Amino acid sequence: DAKTTQPPSMDCAEGRAANLPCNHSTISGNEYVYWYRQIHSQGPQYIIHGLKNNETNEMASLIITEDRKSSTLILPHATLRDTAVYYCIVPNTGNQFYFGTGTSLTVIP
Amino acid sequence: GAVVSQHPSWVICKSGTSVKIECRSLDFQATTMFWYRQFPKQSLMLMATSNEGSKATYEQGVEKDKFLINHASLTLSTLTVTSAHPEDSSFYICSARGQIDTQYFGPGTRLTVL
Repeated sequence: DAKTTQPPSMDCAEGRAANLPCNHSTISGNEYVYWYRQIHSQGPQYIIHGLKNNETNEMASLIITEDRKSSTLILPHATLRDTAVYYCIVPNTGNQFYFGTGTSLTVIP
Repeated sequence: GAVVSQHPSWVICKSGTSVKIECRSLDFQATTMFWYRQFPKQSLMLMATSNEGSKATYEQGVEKDKFLINHASLTLSTLTVTSAHPEDSSFYICSARGQIDTQYFGPGTRLTVL
């Protein structure tokens, strides 16, 4: 079963920041949080991952709360091409990914 | 880097036939690959974990004799759907585990069984 919960859908205006929340209240101390996105009829695309420090790369920023029970993925300037389903994943001990329902992000012109 | 390919990208077959799907890590070696399937408007569902040189580990409810997995090299895993039926029609996606346990996904294979 998925270890994360996310809102089912969100809208964001083009050019604005998209903030996607994720709850992972049962995460343990050495488990990473991974974020992927899936555009319709394609395989999931890796975005970013983190353990406890905030992370940033060319695609997004990841903010993890101090207690590590939740995180937020930030797309700083959303474009229409960012419309996708975003998945937050905490792997199990065998590194298996159990996908939840994710958040369907719609970027509005 | 970290590119994963799948072949074919789509396949249509008759009921009762077998279909093989290949998953390749193009620029890295992967001791572990995973197979998922996704039905319309649903999330990805893990089917099995494939380790190079050993038998795959199947998730509960996935028939190992129907979905044959072979991981013969560090860059190739195959999934064979045996005696396919219309209910096996789905989007099959593989992933390969890279550095720091990150999984890199293939583009998926759309299987339609008539």
